Formats: sequence, structure tokens, C-alpha cells
Amino acid sequence: GAVVSQHPSWVICKSGTSVKIECRSLDFQATTMFWYRQFPKQSLMLMATSNEGSKATYEQGVEKDKFLINHASLTLSTLTVTSAHPEDSSFYICSASSSGGADTQYFGPGTRLTVL
Amino acid sequence: GNSVTQMEGPVTLSEEAFLTINCTYTATGYPSLFWYVQYPGEGLQLLLKATKADDKGSNKGFEATYRKETTSFHLEKGSVQVSDSAVYFCALNSGGYQKVTFGTGTKLQVIP
Repeated sequence: GAVVSQHPSWVICKSGTSVKIECRSLDFQATTMFWYRQFPKQSLMLMATSNEGSKATYEQGVEKDKFLINHASLTLSTLTVTSAHPEDSSFYICSASSSGGADTQYFGPGTRLTVL
Repeated sequence: GNSVTQMEGPVTLSEEAFLTINCTYTATGYPSLFWYVQYPGEGLQLLLKATKADDKGSNKGFEATYRKETTSFHLEKGSVQVSDSAVYFCALNSGGYQKVTFGTGTKLQVIP
């Protein structure tokens, strides 16, 4: 099946710094990428949807100036958490889709962010 | 809005035991329903799906039937293996938009 990677798999940073997370589709072109956030024992919450070459569409309640998303190519999307704070500590998961419905989304392994 | 409720885990079973993970949903219209599995250290993988009422999705010995009357999509397997140990997510997609609503996930641990 299609493979999606994320880098880094975990990161620890100091409060106030920015962190960039990469999501790559390794063997297919992803016209759409999704970013999710998962708190312990909670479901994945969609943060934003990005289409290659377009601005990301953010879900209600997600600060677009804090969570910057760039989808510069058909194989790479980045999520930058700006001025991170401890409450941003979470598990961030991306998914990528070449086309079609939800059953063609391929998920990355996730990135664990801890903000001290 | 859409929501998915699934049983809390962890669920611990002996090898060859019968598995049921309950999932119920609330959605407008006629959603498609999914089960995803996440093995340790890996991304979510689509396990099975059903797109309309009374459809049965199946894969790798797992089954789930789309029950519109009870708004449920329970996951079952007749005989689990140690290799089935993972976290299972019930999810739905409503309409043509690709947004997926997930349940909280249920961790399954199968012991020899």
C-alpha cells in the first residue's frame, strides 16, 4: 500500500520556540493532505486540510497563525507549530490522499510533540 | 454534528478468543463507515469499510456490518491472534467531502 512518512517521530522543545513537522507521501502524489491532532485517550481531531499549491482550510477553533501549514509539492506538507506552549503538547498525525473519498487516505505514523 | 463512540479499552483477550469492539455513530445523511487499525509504531491503516446500510465489510478475518437501525458498526473476529494486538479506530465519512470523524480508539492486547 501507499506509504506516508513523518519527521520527526518525536520532538521536545522549549516553550516559545517553533517546531516544524514534515509529512511526505513516498510513493504517490498527494493532492490533499490532512493534519490531525490526538490527545491521550481521545479521538483524532482534524486540524486542517491542505491542497497542493493552495492555502490550507482550517477547522473551527484551530488558530491558523499558530499552526502554519504549507503544501508546497505533491509529496510534502509541513506543519509548523509557532511559539509552542505546553498545551500544544500532543500527537500530530498527517494523512495524504491522491483523490477520492476517505478510504484513500493514507496515514503517517505520527509525531509526538512535548513542549517544556 | 457527526460523532463516533466506541468502547473504551484496553481489551485483553487470550489467543483464539472471540473479539467484539462496539461502535455507534451519529451522523447526518448516509455516512460511510470505517475501521482503521494502528499497529505499534505505524500509521493508521484502513481495515475495512461499508458504504451503505446492511453492507458487511471484511478483511483479515475481521467483519463489521453497517446497521442503520441501531446506528452501529461493531467490529468482530472469531479467533484473534497475538499479531492482532493494536489500536482500532471506528470512523465515518459523511458526504463527498473527505473529512473523517474518528472514535477514541480501542486498544486490543492478545496474550498467548
